[in-house]
Amino acid sequence: AQTVTQSQPEMSVQEAETVTLSCTYDTSENNYYLFWYKQPPSRQMILVIRQEAYKQQNATENRFSVNFQKAAKSFSLKISDSQLGDTAMYFCASRISNTGNQFYFGTGTSLTVIP
Amino acid sequence: DAGVTQSPTHLIKTRGQQVTLRCSPKSGHDTVSWYQQALGQGPQFIFQYYEEEERQRGNFPDRFSGHQFPNYSSELNVNALLLGDSALYLCASSLVNRMYEQYFGPGTRLTVT
Repeated sequence: AQTVTQSQPEMSVQEAETVTLSCTYDTSENNYYLFWYKQPPSRQMILVIRQEAYKQQNATENRFSVNFQKAAKSFSLKISDSQLGDTAMYFCASRISNTGNQFYFGTGTSLTVIP
Repeated sequence: DAGVTQSPTHLIKTRGQQVTLRCSPKSGHDTVSWYQQALGQGPQFIFQYYEEEERQRGNFPDRFSGHQFPNYSSELNVNALLLGDSALYLCASSLVNRMYEQYFGPGTRLTVT
């Protein structure tokens, strides 16, 4: 099994500023995917960004980017130019590529963007 | 293009009762996974269905069962409800050969009293 740990239960950031959410994971596998999902109050889980473990280049999606440190098993999410709509729960998740079908989720970080 | 839909939105049941939750996958998807998300926690994998069979199961008792229909829609059944079954139940769909792209539905909030 894999474990995903998010050590920041709550965070806040001023609008237009940058914030980084932390995530660490534990796996003995070499091939896996890492994800950040956003869950706003509407409850629907939305994929923010995905990283394949075999890729050294950090994934980016517009204002969202990750810092993937494979040796340290760290996968942080950076949100630039924070917007009010970024207020949500953020979940870090992992999936083993070749054996497992399930996603393993962390406990989430509640992010509030302050106007 | 319809996304993942779930019904009902909310449900209140009494301890010991049985409940059925429903999920329609995103158009074109053939695989459905179910997750339980307790309050303040991340989603926990219950099981996954493909070709009308359960492919993989998480650490949940046999009280939790499911079904997938020929049109790829799915049901989650929970028997002998316990207070601890109160949670948000999420359905996610994907293509079997693109499992890293998983789309979630809005969930069903189940309250057991």
